[in-house]
Amino acid sequence: DAKTTQPTSMDCAEGRAANLPCNHSTISGNEYVYWYRQIHSQGPQYIIHGLKNNETNEMASLIITEDRKSSTLILPHATLRDTAVYYCIVRVVYSGAGSYQLTFGKGTKLSVIP
Amino acid sequence: GAGVSQTPSNKVTEKGKYVELRCDPISGHTALYWYRQSLGQGPEFLIYFQGTGAADDSGLPNDRFFAVRPEGSVSTLKIQRTERGDSAVYLCASSISTADTQYFGPGTRLTVL
Repeated sequence: DAKTTQPTSMDCAEGRAANLPCNHSTISGNEYVYWYRQIHSQGPQYIIHGLKNNETNEMASLIITEDRKSSTLILPHATLRDTAVYYCIVRVVYSGAGSYQLTFGKGTKLSVIP
Repeated sequence: GAGVSQTPSNKVTEKGKYVELRCDPISGHTALYWYRQSLGQGPEFLIYFQGTGAADDSGLPNDRFFAVRPEGSVSTLKIQRTERGDSAVYLCASSISTADTQYFGPGTRLTVL
């Protein structure tokens, strides 16, 4: 089972910031928080990831709470092309001989409205 | 640069037939993953390669599914005696090394009639 909890759906007005929450209350110290999105009929697209510090790149910002039990993905100026399903995933930093498969939940369906 | 590519983009087959799905990872990526995504669900892990060897095949649903990566680059997912329940989008992802970020291809939509 996925180790994260996300709202099923959200709406955001075009041009406004989209703030997508994620709960990962059982996250352990050696797990990253990853965000991917999937636009209809495409493969998942990597957005950003972080361990404990806030992160920013050209696509988004990731805010992780101090206790690491939740995080928020921020799209600063949402456009219609940001309409997609957004997945929050926790994944081990290093697990020795194990693999690093991603465990996806159902994600949040973000609809950007004109 | 070129991303992960998958062929064919769509495959329609009849129940009981054999199919092969191909994945070309990003050049230089040593780790390769296969996932399967059913309608309305998130992708589910199938198998992972580090180099040429299948390091983790715990997600393969049964012995009708098999995957190879003979030269440590291109991978082929093979499904024998296809069933209607195998209909899904099959996704491939690659990463520079095992612990790095995975980048996904566009997927192959398999339909079993």
